Amino acid sequence: SQQGEEDPQALSIQEGENATMNCSYKTSINNLQWYRQNSGRGLVHLILIRSNEREKHSGRLRVTLDTSKKSSSLLITASRAADTASYFCATDHYGNNRLAFGKGNQVVVIP
Amino acid sequence: GAVVSQHPSRVICKSGTSVKIECRSLDFQATTMFWYRQFPKQSLMLMATSNEGSKATYEQGVEKDKFLINHASLTLSTLTVTSAHPEDSSFYICSASPEAFFGQGTRLTVV
Repeated sequence: SQQGEEDPQALSIQEGENATMNCSYKTSINNLQWYRQNSGRGLVHLILIRSNEREKHSGRLRVTLDTSKKSSSLLITASRAADTASYFCATDHYGNNRLAFGKGNQVVVIP
Repeated sequence: GAVVSQHPSRVICKSGTSVKIECRSLDFQATTMFWYRQFPKQSLMLMATSNEGSKATYEQGVEKDKFLINHASLTLSTLTVTSAHPEDSSFYICSASPEAFFGQGTRLTVV
């Protein structure tokens, strides 16, 4: 079954606002990763959070992980037009980088 | 940082022909590589796990005779789409273990 199933959303926000997207999964994981993909292009790795971590920050990104609820969230603060992209979460069940991707969230930041 | 190079980035081929996509780890040895496929506006789906020196492991529903994977060295895995048809048109992207570095992806269009 598909791991990392965030609700497919199209999120449209104004520049400067925060964007939050969620991801849920079904079975236990070793880690969860978030990626960004600009239209029709490759993946950019944003952040990896391990199953024993609850929160992680990287620049304007904040990721939380709740293993009891099997869910994660990605928060982008002070969004910029350049943040316009699709964002995917991906779960790694065994820690071997064999990833199961969620459906993705399309984020549009309006200048 | 570690880099995965994928080639070609874009290819158009005629129906019935075969197309080979290369995935190279440039500065590290990758005993395992993963191949994913992404249809327009959809998420990435794992197709197969490529293991150096052994047969690839295919996900359920992926035809191994249609998507030939060869991982002959620790730095190169190839995916050959045989007898391509328009429904094979997709974005193919590889990643290499131990780190989940992704190639730039290959957009295949079969006409």
